[in-house]
Amino acid sequence: DAGVIQSPRHEVTEMGQEVTLRCKPISGHDYLFWYRQTMMRGLELLIYFNNNVPIDDSGMPEDRFSAKMPNASFSTLKIQPSEPRDSAVYFCASGGQGLYEQYFGPGTRLTVT
Amino acid sequence: TQLLEQSPQFLSIQEGENLTVYCNSSSVFSSLQWYRQEPGEGPVLLVTVVTGGEVKKLKRLTFQFGDARKDSSLHITAAQTGDTGLYLCAGEDQGAQKLVFGQGTRLTINP
Repeated sequence: DAGVIQSPRHEVTEMGQEVTLRCKPISGHDYLFWYRQTMMRGLELLIYFNNNVPIDDSGMPEDRFSAKMPNASFSTLKIQPSEPRDSAVYFCASGGQGLYEQYFGPGTRLTVT
Repeated sequence: TQLLEQSPQFLSIQEGENLTVYCNSSSVFSSLQWYRQEPGEGPVLLVTVVTGGEVKKLKRLTFQFGDARKDSSLHITAAQTGDTGLYLCAGEDQGAQKLVFGQGTRLTINP
């Protein structure tokens, strides 16, 4: 099994630009999670999906953030427009045994200048 | 939302020593997990503990869930440089329907 796949691994962009992060979950997993990790705030849940349907987006910081899951094998997290305070590592995780056993991807390190 | 506090935040010891890190809360969790995260990688699930008082062993790592299911500990025996990483505990918050993560303990094992 290839595990959770995220792309790109690194993204550097200028303030105001649109950023799209991509995730392919483990095949057969029903849950998909997007997290953000910073030194100051640790690992924060942004949104999660069950069977491609968004269940809880209460962690999405602002309207500039949006996430979609058009099918069981693909999800995107979009930031538009990006700001320097969005700089962080963004992780996608998937789970097949419910909410509480999650398998993380390698992350996308986003730097907004 | 329930909160988890991990201690210490940072720990640096010599190879061969023993260590314990803690994960505490004032709330009860249905289950608790421990993850290890290495630089440039995502967290990797090490263990899930479910029953109060439960002890699980993974080679040199021993995980314990408190009797009241509010706290947990991770003990490493004869630490090795390969144990270096960020150790995260995460609790199952059934009310909020999500995993709640602690801030982590950053462990460095020096050769």
